[in-house]
Amino acid sequence: AQSVAQPEDQVNVAEGNPLTVKCTYSVSGNPYLFWYVQYPNRGLQFLLKYITGDNLVKGSYGFEAEFNKSQTSFHLKKPSALVSDSALYFCAVRGPSGSARQLTFGSGTQLTVLP
Amino acid sequence: EAGVTQFPSHSVIEKGQTVTLRCDPISGHDNLYWYRRVMGKEIKFLLHFVKESKQDESGMPNNRFLAERTGGTYSTLKVQPAELEDSGVYFCASSPWTGRNTGELFFGEGSRLTVL
Repeated sequence: AQSVAQPEDQVNVAEGNPLTVKCTYSVSGNPYLFWYVQYPNRGLQFLLKYITGDNLVKGSYGFEAEFNKSQTSFHLKKPSALVSDSALYFCAVRGPSGSARQLTFGSGTQLTVLP
Repeated sequence: EAGVTQFPSHSVIEKGQTVTLRCDPISGHDNLYWYRRVMGKEIKFLLHFVKESKQDESGMPNNRFLAERTGGTYSTLKVQPAELEDSGVYFCASSPWTGRNTGELFFGEGSRLTVL
């Protein structure tokens, strides 16, 4: 069965500093990897995805993520954090076929950017 | 263009009662999904419709949960009778049919269910 681990429930970072939100995954076959963000009282919003190709994926709001096959990781990064980036971030994986094609989410990481 | 809308935003019921959640996907999206997040844990897949057909319902926890999508438009998720462990946030998501469907999902704001 496929799975996602987000080892940190909470990440705090000062505004202007780089941020990293960690994600590791387990799936049979080539993974499709996603990051979603949930702002307070809003639904989940798509940030970025990795399907194939360049291991560094760029997404919305200046976020990027690096796919590392050997470490089965897909960490979310941003060079300079903003207070408005404070939100709940979810990593998700999808397998290539069958029931594994449904998204499997991690438990989420609450990011707080301090002014 | 309107996004995915869910109703109600919050429902408080007593154990043993029935609740029906509704989801209106983005117009023209054939794929509709239900997910649930319980007690701050991971968001878990419940089921997937393609138009009016259930493509995958492997995540439905038990027969107290019934999902329908008559006519392939909006969907309802009924919980009958509700139990305490059903409390959580129920998310609906939709996406257009793109064959291999490697694209992202568009989520609603969720329906928070509290069972007392």
